[in-house]
Amino acid sequence: DQQVKQNSPSLSVQEGRISILNCDYTNSMFDYFLWYKKYPAEGPTFLISISSIKDKNEDGRFTVFLNKSAKHLSLHIVPSQPGDSAVYFCAAVSGTYKYIFGTGTRLKVLA
Amino acid sequence: DSGVTQTPKHLITATGQRVTLRCSPRSGDLSVYWYQQSLDQGLQFLIQYYNGEERAKGNILERFSAQQFPDLHSELNLSSLELGDSALYFCASSVEGDRHNEQFFGPGTRLTVL
Repeated sequence: DQQVKQNSPSLSVQEGRISILNCDYTNSMFDYFLWYKKYPAEGPTFLISISSIKDKNEDGRFTVFLNKSAKHLSLHIVPSQPGDSAVYFCAAVSGTYKYIFGTGTRLKVLA
Repeated sequence: DSGVTQTPKHLITATGQRVTLRCSPRSGDLSVYWYQQSLDQGLQFLIQYYNGEERAKGNILERFSAQQFPDLHSELNLSSLELGDSALYFCASSVEGDRHNEQFFGPGTRLTVL
């Protein structure tokens, strides 16, 4: 049972436009969420996180939105740059130390 | 460069064999995590160690085991290998083991079981 779902395996966006990556979760006990970015042949790198007591967190071009009632979070990248092309994973954490990752969305930013 | 090192980079072996993957965490990090990423799958959490002790367990098979040594490096042992064990294995480390501590990932070990 996939507790964290990223239903779009891939996304293409023009450079300078907004990229919106979505993530849905099923476990209401999750109270901390993260986004990681992964380039080929490298490990994932942390991007941004959000606690369930917030509904928005911003860091430069990256903003994460959390809608607890819908059990949905999204990552907005504005403006998108070619260097943002990567696979993006969302992850959720409950009271345990385990991160539950989604299957990833491959973002391609077209120059 | 995350500061987390994993060896070997690639490993090719046969079914039924046993292999050991090694991870050195970032300097100062006490916690080590192991993840498995199969084709088109997300990262599956396997196990976490904190300062030498097992702290959390995920979907780790009984054929797999891990340990963290006094110098804080960790090894993941995979035995009686099956074709389905072919995957990327990532190690991550964090300062402590709290969920709010950012995890830094190594480049991974690609295991191919033939």
